[in-house]
Amino acid sequence: QQQVKQSPQSLIVQKGGISIINCAYENTAFDYFPWYQQFPGKGPALLIAIRPDVSEKKEGRFTISFNKSAKQFSLHIMDSQPGDSATYFCAARGPGSQGNLIFGKGTKLSVKP
Amino acid sequence: DGGITQSPKYLFRKEGQNVTLSCEQNLNHDAMYWYRQDPGQGLRLIYYSQIVNDFQKGDIAEGYSVSREKKESFPLTVTSAQKNPTAFYLCASQQGLSTEAFFGQGTRLTVV
Repeated sequence: QQQVKQSPQSLIVQKGGISIINCAYENTAFDYFPWYQQFPGKGPALLIAIRPDVSEKKEGRFTISFNKSAKQFSLHIMDSQPGDSATYFCAARGPGSQGNLIFGKGTKLSVKP
Repeated sequence: DGGITQSPKYLFRKEGQNVTLSCEQNLNHDAMYWYRQDPGQGLRLIYYSQIVNDFQKGDIAEGYSVSREKKESFPLTVTSAQKNPTAFYLCASQQGLSTEAFFGQGTRLTVV
């Protein structure tokens, strides 16, 4: 119930294409779903986040789609660029006194020029 | 500049030795976290602290210890009891339970 399952493990996309990364969760108490971007040798940085009261959130080329009934959410990167090549982590957080983030295992994205 | 500082960036340890990783934040955040990152494993929670002088075990606390004597500092000690300590260690902090978590740049520990 505490897991967040992320797929695919790796993804290769041509420049200008759309990158799609999917995550699924079981715990319906989760109420915050962030995506983190990590470049090699660096710490993760928050990219975009959504709460379950909305079905979609867009920030520039990055969009989160959220399906509450299916307990799934996905990250779409439009017009993918070589500079987007990084590892992406989805995560989920529940309410209550703990509030710790639970991370997916990550997706390594490579955008080919 | 506000942020989280981890030091050192690279650390080498001989088997059987304890080693302490530093994490300092000037964001005035209450909560701090230590994660371990291995290839293909994502980020796994080692310890966390939501207030000074209090901390809890995460999912993989065995072989690790922490202290939280000051709000700004949350050092992690990797003890000789940790059987596979070579990894990338990340420290994070957040203000409230529903806010963004900020990460440091990580420490790569290698046992030689």
